[in-house]
Amino acid sequence: KAGVTQTPRYLIKTRGQQVTLSCSPISGHRSVSWYQQTPGQGLQFLFEYFSETQRNKGNFPGRFSGRQFSNSRSEMNVSTLELGDSALYLCASSTVLAGGGEQFFGPGTRLTVL
Amino acid sequence: GEDVEQSLFLSVREGDSSVINCTYTDSSSTYLYWYKQEPGAGLQLLTYIFSNMDMKQDQRLTVLLNKKDKHLSLRIADTQTGDSAIYFCAETPQGNNNDMRFGAGTRLTVKP
Repeated sequence: KAGVTQTPRYLIKTRGQQVTLSCSPISGHRSVSWYQQTPGQGLQFLFEYFSETQRNKGNFPGRFSGRQFSNSRSEMNVSTLELGDSALYLCASSTVLAGGGEQFFGPGTRLTVL
Repeated sequence: GEDVEQSLFLSVREGDSSVINCTYTDSSSTYLYWYKQEPGAGLQLLTYIFSNMDMKQDQRLTVLLNKKDKHLSLRIADTQTGDSAIYFCAETPQGNNNDMRFGAGTRLTVKP
């Protein structure tokens, strides 16, 4: 069974631009969560999607948005990029929504904002 | 302050046991996890424990949970140089979501 895949793996953007990151969960997994990892703030939860609906959202500004498609693939969008958005963006997939069980992470997309 | 706390560094000799500790604050947490991250890589799920358990063993890994003290530990037996990585503990709160709260990570260095 293939693991969680994320594309692209690396991305360089400039301030003010927007970016879309993609995550394909493990086959059969319906929950996709997104996390931002930075040296200063560590791993922080962005949002979670289950069955195409956003079920939970972390404390990030509205410039961060996402969506999930009927095949459970998810995209995350960041508009009006700021230097502080430079980070490793990780997605995780799980079979269930209700409070846990195994969650598997992808390799991440490393975003650099210049 | 952080909900999940870990010491930042641990150094051991190859063949010794490593014990990585974690404390958390949310007593309603349902699952507690240990993830491993190697340089430039994503997070690898090592093991997890449900909050009504106090111990889980999986090959070289032993997880101990003291729910009263909100203390979680990961013991790695016979530590190898390939175990050098950052180890994160994480919790999920009670309820219908998978929002995980992570500690800052413990950097384990294994010396030959």
